[in-house]
Amino acid sequence: GAGVSQSPSNKVTEKGKDVELRCDPISGHTALYWYRQSLGQGLEFLIYFQGNSAPDKSGLPSDRFSAERTGGSVSTLTIQRTQQEDSAVYLCASSLVIRDTQYFGPGTRLTVL
Amino acid sequence: KQEVTQIPAALSVPEGENLVLNCSFTDSAIYNLQWFRQDPGKGLTSLLLIQSSQREQTSGRLNASLDKSSGRSTLYIAASQPGDSATYLCAVMSGDSWGKLQFGAGTQVVVTP
Repeated sequence: GAGVSQSPSNKVTEKGKDVELRCDPISGHTALYWYRQSLGQGLEFLIYFQGNSAPDKSGLPSDRFSAERTGGSVSTLTIQRTQQEDSAVYLCASSLVIRDTQYFGPGTRLTVL
Repeated sequence: KQEVTQIPAALSVPEGENLVLNCSFTDSAIYNLQWFRQDPGKGLTSLLLIQSSQREQTSGRLNASLDKSSGRSTLYIAASQPGDSATYLCAVMSGDSWGKLQFGAGTQVVVTP
């Protein structure tokens, strides 16, 4: 079956612009997670969703970052007023139920000029 | 605060040798531990998940052990092949976490023909 998909695969933007990153989880998976991977920080957790609610937003680095999930499926991560330090690969994962095996998408590489 | 460490950071072995990859964590109150591989420029591929109540988990040539009391997990890959070359990451889900995986920095493995 289809795995987790993310779009776009690459995004280049100018400092100060807003960006939206999209994640399509595996069909039927109730939990969805966002992480980011950067050279200096490794892989860090951002936020997770159980259904459409986000019980843990503790990993979002600043209030410029927000995420939503609609219909228990697709999720969008929005970064407002992007900064150069936001450059990273943003990874999405999903699991059948919370705390189960997480399956990752290929990621979106974000470059902020 | 949970910290996850993987040593060594890099490893090179000749084809056919067994691989032993180490992961240590500071807080033994974990819910589960997951091993992933990451190929250059790609997302993460799930290899094995071990629940906190398990001592080991096996899949094909892969075997992962867990010693919660000492805060260690080991991934064994038998009879390594050049296709096993990748970065291997371990990730811990703490007992009080409902979705967040905390990752080690990874071990980069090269299997030479």
